[in-house]
Amino acid sequence: QSALTQPPSASGSPGQSVTISCTGTSSDVGGYNYVSWYQQHPGKAPKLMIYEVSKRPSGVPDRFSGSKSGNTASLTVSGLQVEDEADYYCSSYAGSNNWGVVFGGGTKLTVL
Amino acid sequence: EVQLVESGGGLVQPGGSLRLSCAASGFTFSSYWMSWVRQAPGKGLEWVANIKQDGSEKYYVDSVKGRFTISRDNAKNSLYLQMNSLRAEDTAVYYCARGRGSTVTKSFDSWGQGTLVTVSS
Repeated sequence: QSALTQPPSASGSPGQSVTISCTGTSSDVGGYNYVSWYQQHPGKAPKLMIYEVSKRPSGVPDRFSGSKSGNTASLTVSGLQVEDEADYYCSSYAGSNNWGVVFGGGTKLTVL
Repeated sequence: EVQLVESGGGLVQPGGSLRLSCAASGFTFSSYWMSWVRQAPGKGLEWVANIKQDGSEKYYVDSVKGRFTISRDNAKNSLYLQMNSLRAEDTAVYYCARGRGSTVTKSFDSWGQGTLVTVSS
């Protein structure tokens, strides 16, 4: 099972918006509405930010939003804040391929 | 508060074995799918294995099939990963993670702090 494709880096200034893409196949991203996004600060465990493409867990700011079109999912962070600087990983349920989850390679978001 | 605390990591020689443990608290452990996710140094996340609430279903990433075994003890609120025939490429921080919802894991809503496994001679 190949990893999902994310850009290695993204950046924006405080207050701006940035979108991170995540491209898979019809066997994962395109086949299920089970795309998730995780935020990971250096040396810390990942944190779930978005699940089922566009749903936010309790406590996640509404500045974070998710969407999907075909085999590509996107995470948009609006009103960038310094604390948003982190690595972001997308994942998708892979169904009968392995009954598990496949992750993207990660995107380093820099807040300039 | 949900807490997941991993233990058992360390340095092991290629071909060796190690057993990781994850102690869960703050939620009804027996109601959730549980998983192990790993992260090689400086690399991305990789799902390793998951297990159903009653242990009746277990799934693995291809690279660990036949070498790793996931298990759980609901009476002890604990998750385990038995790792045999370890290879250098298994070197990573191993996270215990809770599956969101009650069906087969599609996302992880709680994570432990991780335990480092280093495979080297």
